[in-house]
Amino acid sequence: NAGVMQNPRHLVRRRGQEARLRCSPMKGHSHVYWYRQLPEEGLKFMVYLQKENIIDESGMPKERFSAEFPKEGPSILRIQQVVRGDSAAYFCASSLQTLSSYEQYFGPGTRLTVT
Amino acid sequence: DQQVKQNSPSLSVQEGRISILNCDYTNSMFDYFLWYKKYPAEGPTFLISISSIKDKNEDGRFTVFLNKSAKHLSLHIVPSQPGDSAVYFCAASRTSGSRLTFGEGTQLTVNP
Repeated sequence: NAGVMQNPRHLVRRRGQEARLRCSPMKGHSHVYWYRQLPEEGLKFMVYLQKENIIDESGMPKERFSAEFPKEGPSILRIQQVVRGDSAAYFCASSLQTLSSYEQYFGPGTRLTVT
Repeated sequence: DQQVKQNSPSLSVQEGRISILNCDYTNSMFDYFLWYKKYPAEGPTFLISISSIKDKNEDGRFTVFLNKSAKHLSLHIVPSQPGDSAVYFCAASRTSGSRLTFGEGTQLTVNP
C-alpha cells in the first residue's frame, strides 16, 4: 500500500511566481490535510478537504492561497504571487477516519524556496 | 495561543535506557492525542495515539500515558535505541473536527 505522495519534493520560485504543490492520499483515504512548517517552528494546520469539498480552511492565509481536492486526481495547494515568507516545508496528510481512528499519515513534504 | 506545548526542546539518553517525552495542552475540547516522529527532510511518521477515554496505550517499545485532569501526556520509549534519535511531535485533535494541533517538538538523541 503506497503511502501519501507529494510532488515536487523541492520547488524554487522567484517572488511573484505561482507555486503548485500536489498530494496523492493513501489508497482508500478520502480526507486530505495540508500543514506548513516554517523554519524552526512546529507544523501548523492550513486546510482540510474531502473530495470536491473544503471542510475547514481556517488555517489558510486569506489571500494568495487556495486548495482543492477534485473528484479525480491529486489535491493541489496553490500559492499565487509567492513572497519570501512563503518559504517553508508543506506537508500533506491523509486519513481514513473511522469512528475509532483519526490517525493522519503524512507525505514526505514539498520544500518551497522563494528567491 | 500555543494550545499544545512541549517544554523540552531537547532530550539526551543512553541506549537501553528509558526516554520520556512530555506534552501539555490547554484546550479541554481535545480528546484524541497522537505522537509523531520526524527525521530531517522527511514527513512526520505516526507512532501511537490515545483517546481521552483511556489513560494508557502501549505498542511495543512505545507507551503513551494521558492525565486528563492535568492536561498532560507523555511518551515512554523503552529500551531506547540510537535509531530513535529524531524530533518527536505531540499532536491533539477534537473528534468532531479533524485538524491536528502540534507542539513545537522535542529533539531526542539516543547515545550508543
